[in-house]
Amino acid sequence: EAGVTQFPSHSVIEKGQTVTLRCDPISGHDNLYWYRRVMGKEIKFLLHFVKESKQDESGMPNNRFLAERTGGTYSTLKVQPAELEDSGVYFCASSQVDGGGADTQYFGPGTRLTVL
Amino acid sequence: AQKVTQAQTEISVVEKEDVTLDCVYETRDTTYYLFWYKQPPSGELVFLIRRNSFDEQNEISGRYSWNFQKSTSSFNFTITASQVVDSAVYFCALNSYNTDKLIFGTGTRLQVFP
Repeated sequence: EAGVTQFPSHSVIEKGQTVTLRCDPISGHDNLYWYRRVMGKEIKFLLHFVKESKQDESGMPNNRFLAERTGGTYSTLKVQPAELEDSGVYFCASSQVDGGGADTQYFGPGTRLTVL
Repeated sequence: AQKVTQAQTEISVVEKEDVTLDCVYETRDTTYYLFWYKQPPSGELVFLIRRNSFDEQNEISGRYSWNFQKSTSSFNFTITASQVVDSAVYFCALNSYNTDKLIFGTGTRLQVFP
């Protein structure tokens, strides 16, 4: 069974440009999460989808970030316009059951975003 | 507020040494879950273990073992007879029964030298 996949693996853009990250969760997983690790700090939660609905977006830093999950399958995270502080590794995770914290989240390899 | 502290930023050992990675957590919830993930050089986060707050039994999986102590709010991870392939960044994480949001520590980089 395929794991969580993310594309691209690495993206280098200039400040002010737009970047779209994609995540394909494990097949059958209704829950999809985005996290970010900036400059060697802790990995921080961004948002959580249950199917196509945003369950929790409390970690989204500002309105330059837009996440979508049309049809409840893959998700995209768009940053527009990108700023220098957006550089970091963006992780996607998925889980099978919305078990109120009990379910294990399986992570993808991450997308390393560099904003110059 | 919930918090996870991994005080060890980096640990270096020689192959076959035992090594313990510390994890201390803070939460006011009585029902919560603790996790360990491994991030090898390839970058992906690999799930290692999940424990719930009502199960304080230590767990052993091959060379890996975990010591969960609610009295000290710690969930430490020991690798016995370390190998070069154990070199990675290890993250401890926490979430509660009423949220799926994982709270991570800053990670501990383990380097195992031959």
